[in-house]
Amino acid sequence: GQQVMQIPQYQHVQEGEDFTTYCNSSTTLSNIQWYKQRPGGHPVFLIQLVKSGEVKKQKRLTFQFGEAKKNSSLHITATQTTDVGTYFCAGQGSNYQLIWGAGTKLIIKP
Amino acid sequence: KAGVTQTPRYLIKTRGQQVTLSCSPISGHRSVSWYQQTPGQGLQFLFEYFSETQRNKGNFPGRFSGRQFSNSRSEMNVSTLELGDSALYLCASSLDEKLFFGSGTQLSVL
Repeated sequence: GQQVMQIPQYQHVQEGEDFTTYCNSSTTLSNIQWYKQRPGGHPVFLIQLVKSGEVKKQKRLTFQFGEAKKNSSLHITATQTTDVGTYFCAGQGSNYQLIWGAGTKLIIKP
Repeated sequence: KAGVTQTPRYLIKTRGQQVTLSCSPISGHRSVSWYQQTPGQGLQFLFEYFSETQRNKGNFPGRFSGRQFSNSRSEMNVSTLELGDSALYLCASSLDEKLFFGSGTQLSVL
């Protein structure tokens, strides 16, 4: 079946360092969405990418959708303590169903 | 606009019992999805309802069921509870493919 692999599972960074998480799908996606879940919270929608090669920015966050619409990345520049949480990608597959990555947990080292 | 409301917030049950969880979507949203999340795990898709019809179903046993009412409110039921059913159950309503999650119901099975 369709799968979305997300790596890494965890990333420890010092505050101020950059962070990147990657998602790869086994099949072409119609779009990909990104969500953030703070500790103890629920996932919150960040962005949706639809076009091949699309790049979108939200302040220090940069989202990319690959040319083949099979991979995507989220990059955070100069992390802050407010960035702590788990970042999930979710790709929309052929049957309209969202296929979720396992998430990348961002941990800021004290 | 009110967000997605899930009740109850916490629930403790014993093995063999059954449980019903409730979800009220954002006004105007006709699609409701349910997810199971266990510690350190990603989001496991249970099912999705749209206009009272189940549109998609995940790979969960038949003990897990759901329904949606004409006002778009949804319920999910788990019968014959097992210890492994202990999890956070999240409901999400959607418009234009973006998901808006509720705070979840934390179910503990003893």
